[in-house]
Amino acid sequence: DSGVTQTPKHLITATGQRVTLRCSPRSGDLSVYWYQQSLDQGLQFLIQYYNGEERAKGNILERFSAQQFPDLHSELNLSSLELGDSALYFCASSVGLSSGNTIYFGEGSWLTVV
Amino acid sequence: DQQVKQNSPSLSVQEGRISILNCDYTNSMFDYFLWYKKYPAEGPTFLISISSIKDKNEDGRFTVFLNKSAKHLSLHIVPSQPGDSAVYFCAASERSGNTGKLIFGQGTTLQVKP
Repeated sequence: DSGVTQTPKHLITATGQRVTLRCSPRSGDLSVYWYQQSLDQGLQFLIQYYNGEERAKGNILERFSAQQFPDLHSELNLSSLELGDSALYFCASSVGLSSGNTIYFGEGSWLTVV
Repeated sequence: DQQVKQNSPSLSVQEGRISILNCDYTNSMFDYFLWYKKYPAEGPTFLISISSIKDKNEDGRFTVFLNKSAKHLSLHIVPSQPGDSAVYFCAASERSGNTGKLIFGQGTTLQVKP
C-alpha cells in the first residue's frame, strides 16, 4: 500500500460525458501528479500540483483540468469524453519538488469510454 | 519526443539467471533516475534509484548502473525469481524547473520462467 488513494477504481461512461477522478496523497506529501497510461503506452505525465498551486503541465488536453484543494486532495476532471480517452489514470504524490524525491503511485482509475 | 526510451518491449529469462533491463535518455538535464515495477491492475511501485553523481547503486538483488556519457542506464536483477515477472519502467527527472516530475519510458515486460 503506497498510501495514495484513488477513486473510483473503475468507471464506464459514454462519449461526450464528464467525469471526475479523485486522489488523496500520502500523509505529508504536498505534491500531486497525474499520469495517463493508454493501451501499450508508457506513463504520460499530465499535470502536477504543489500545495494547491499548479506546478507543471505535460501533455494534458484542454478538455481536461485538475485542481488541488486546501486539504491537499486532488481531482482530475475529464470532459467531452472521446473513445480515445479510455485509459488508466494514475495519481502520485511526493513530499516536495526536488528531483531526488521518490514519487509514490496510487492503484489507478480505469476509465472506459463507450 | 520520447526523452526516455526502453527499446525492448519484453524480456524472458530463466529463474536464477540475470535479468538486464535497459533504458536510454536524451535530456542531459536529467539528474535522477528511478526504476518502477508494475504488476497488472496495480500502480507502479518504486524499486531503486540513482543520482547522476553515482554510477552504481545496489539494493539486494537489484543493481542500477548509470553511464552518463552514453546516456544509458540498466537494471540488473540477480538472481531472477518468478515473482519478478512484471512490467519495469525506467523514469527520470531533471534538476531544472524544480518540479520533481518524472518522465517515463514505455516499459519492459519481464517474464521469469521457473
